[in-house]
Amino acid sequence: GAVVSQHPSWVICKSGTSVKIECRSLDFQATTMFWYRQFPKQSLMLMATSNEGSKATYEQGVEKDKFLINHASLTLSTLTVTSAHPEDSSFYICSAHYQQETQYFGPGTRLLVL
Amino acid sequence: SQKIEQNSEALNIQEGKTATLTCNYTNYSPAYLQWYRQDPGRGPVFLLLIRENEKEKRKERLKVTFDTTLKQSLFHITASQPADSATYLCALKTGANNLFFGTGTRLTVIP
Repeated sequence: GAVVSQHPSWVICKSGTSVKIECRSLDFQATTMFWYRQFPKQSLMLMATSNEGSKATYEQGVEKDKFLINHASLTLSTLTVTSAHPEDSSFYICSAHYQQETQYFGPGTRLLVL
Repeated sequence: SQKIEQNSEALNIQEGKTATLTCNYTNYSPAYLQWYRQDPGRGPVFLLLIRENEKEKRKERLKVTFDTTLKQSLFHITASQPADSATYLCALKTGANNLFFGTGTRLTVIP
């Protein structure tokens, strides 16, 4: 149990385009999901908390208009990187709360913006 | 300022020995602490959770201790194997839902 999937696993796009990343909880319902980014050899940095049926809560310094989050159902949250630029290239990882305590993570999405 | 420090960026150990990883934190009052394993290019995988009122937790070859006075957690892998080679992350949960991660220790088990 507690499997989280992400799609796509990697994406290459041109500067200025938008990219959507999906995060799904496969065998449980998640009212809360989280989006992180991770730069090489660094730890995970929380970007935002995604709550089903309501607006996401963004961490300080994260532009909400740049990183659009939608949590339309109990098993799906999406992160859209709008007008992506090379500095947005990173490893994006989502997680979902399971049994109120533990976060289970997706396999991550590698984004490369050319 | 708040910090979560993991003792070393990299740790090499001989197969069969016990690996001990350290997580120290300052200016946090965690409700619980978790340890994750992360392989290159993959998301973290949950290993163990230990609550503030627990001293020790075990799961197969893994053992975690939590000392809220010292503000430290130790993570042990006994009878280490090359397959245990990975980066290990500690993470603290405070009152909110957020997890705060350390920078990780990259463990290499040498055959």
